[in-house]
Amino acid sequence: GAVVSQHPSWVICKSGTSVKIECRSLDFQATTMFWYRQFPKQSLMLMATSNEGSKATYEQGVEKDKFLINHASLTLSTLTVTSAHPEDSSFYICSAEYRTGGGEAFFGQGTRLTVV
Amino acid sequence: KQEVTQIPAALSVPEGENLVLNCSFTDSAIYNLQWFRQDPGKGLTSLLLIQSSQREQTSGRLNASLDKSSGRSTLYIAASQPGDSATYLCAAPNQGGSEKLVFGKGTKLTVNP
Repeated sequence: GAVVSQHPSWVICKSGTSVKIECRSLDFQATTMFWYRQFPKQSLMLMATSNEGSKATYEQGVEKDKFLINHASLTLSTLTVTSAHPEDSSFYICSAEYRTGGGEAFFGQGTRLTVV
Repeated sequence: KQEVTQIPAALSVPEGENLVLNCSFTDSAIYNLQWFRQDPGKGLTSLLLIQSSQREQTSGRLNASLDKSSGRSTLYIAASQPGDSATYLCAAPNQGGSEKLVFGKGTKLTVNP
């Protein structure tokens, strides 16, 4: 199947700093990628849709100025958590849909963010 | 808005048992449904994708069924093994042809040797 790579797999940062997470589709092009967040013992919740060459669309309740998304190419989307706070600590995971695979979604490995 | 529910929340079985995980969704106007596996602290591994025109899909010991009319899907695991221990997630499109997925909370499966 298609491969989506996410980096880093874990990061610890100080409160107030910014953290960038990368999501790459390795063997296919993705005009659209998705960013999800998962809190402990909760289901994955969609944060935003990353669109290549245009602005991301955010789900209700997600601060676009805090979670900056850039989809600079057909294989790379980045999520930057700006001015991170302890409540932003979570598991962030991206996905891309492999269209020629019948619309199957493939996910990255996820990034565990801990803000101290 | 799509809502996805999975039962049971947790399941513990002895090795070798066959088991069924259940998923229900509220909006049946979906074009596919997908089952994933998540190991602790890890990303999601796609297990099976069922298109709306299909009733079931099989991969090895896994079989997933889809009944759009009743808003249900099941994941059947045959001859369970300790390595099957993980959380299994069901995901359906948010709306009709949307690419946005709505996930259930998952079923945490433990297969005891």
